Amino acid sequence: AQSVTQLDSHVSVSEGTPVLLRCNYSSSYSPSLFWYVQHPNKGLQLLLKYTSAATLVKGINGFEAEFKKSETSFHLTKPSAHMSDAAEYFCVVSGMDSSYKLIFGSGTRLLVRP
Amino acid sequence: NAGVTQTPKFRVLKTGQSMTLLCAQDMNHEYMYWYRQDPGMGLRLIHYSVGEGTTAKGEVPDGYNVSRLKKQNFLLGLESAAPSQTSVYFCASSYGLAGAETQYFGPGTRLLVL
Repeated sequence: AQSVTQLDSHVSVSEGTPVLLRCNYSSSYSPSLFWYVQHPNKGLQLLLKYTSAATLVKGINGFEAEFKKSETSFHLTKPSAHMSDAAEYFCVVSGMDSSYKLIFGSGTRLLVRP
Repeated sequence: NAGVTQTPKFRVLKTGQSMTLLCAQDMNHEYMYWYRQDPGMGLRLIHYSVGEGTTAKGEVPDGYNVSRLKKQNFLLGLESAAPSQTSVYFCASSYGLAGAETQYFGPGTRLLVL
């Protein structure tokens, strides 16, 4: 069975400083991993996805994530936060034994201070 | 392209009333999904469909029914609404299996059951 844990419910950074959102996963199979972003009162939008290709995945808006199998982690990073990055971020896992289903983490709310 | 649209955007129901949420997609996707999102939790899958005329139960199907009579539409029904069904409902669609393909989300329907 798959599961995903987002280690921080809230992260607060200053504009222009790095962003780190942490995600650990558990999967019996080689997982596909995703990061989705949800801006206030909006639907979810895909930031990036890992599907067993390169372990460093680049996404939209300058975000990237690194798949580390030994640490079962898939942390999301960005070198310099922008005010428009303030949103809720979801780490998501899917595995071969539940291919129709995505398992969502509980979300991390990113606050960006001016 | 409109992508994934949901109707209505907001609804208030009394306990015991029924309603139908409509999801439409114009991307010719085979797979469609209904999720609910509750505070402090990620999205949870209610029902999904792998093609026209097919539906299947997800993680939290009790109290809901669905139909996929046309490929582009996926309806979620509440026969007798309960306060526990107060939530934000998201529809999504994808070209292929969720584990490999990007899911595209609608803007959500906010439902309040009194």
